[in-house]
Amino acid sequence: EVQLVESGGGLVQPGGSLRLSCAASGFTFSTSDMTWVRQAPGKGLEWVSGISASGRSTYYADSVKGRFTISRDNSKNTLYVRMNSLTAEDTAVFYCARAMGGWLFDYWGQGTLVTVSS
Amino acid sequence: EIVMTQSPATLSVSPGETATLSCRASQSGSSNLAWYQQKPGQAPRVLIYGASTRATGIPARFSGSGSGTEFTLTISSLQSEDFAVYYCQQYNNWPLTFGPGTKVDIK
Repeated sequence: EVQLVESGGGLVQPGGSLRLSCAASGFTFSTSDMTWVRQAPGKGLEWVSGISASGRSTYYADSVKGRFTISRDNSKNTLYVRMNSLTAEDTAVFYCARAMGGWLFDYWGQGTLVTVSS
Repeated sequence: EIVMTQSPATLSVSPGETATLSCRASQSGSSNLAWYQQKPGQAPRVLIYGASTRATGIPARFSGSGSGTEFTLTISSLQSEDFAVYYCQQYNNWPLTFGPGTKVDIK
């Protein structure tokens, strides 16, 4: 069974940093492109960042470019995103998801909530 | 950036009826278009990819069509479990972009 389990969310002050993790199991993580998608409370889905299976290629939404860094450890089957200079506009549930044969997503985690507030 | 728009924002439909949802891209995304369903408190679930291919396990009452800039998701004979929010997503260009969603609720 495919499982994606996010962790690391919580309350952080404006300007602060946070690192989210996504532990993957039930599929060959090292051959799967992966992504982070977020959803602000009561709002729609926003793609945040993607990383190729090897980790050599990374992609970012303009809204997070220069502040967020996506990475992965294929030996630990884990996806990460490091988030710096957080603002209230970054408050959202962050989902990790697996790309299936193109950058669309067939398996999603349950999400982890990031709240940026003083 | 390809901007995705969806209409209507809300669609009120009676069970057993057909719902037709539209998605428009600001520039051609070829057929690299996916549809997702999201229920409250749940992660999205992929329904359709390649504009018209049903994902594994998706009932035949869900169908997708279109190419280029105009896409449609049709849900035939709506069941109670189909009332949800539906998002389209283009994966032809970076950055990837989602539409704002269409909420299908019970009439």
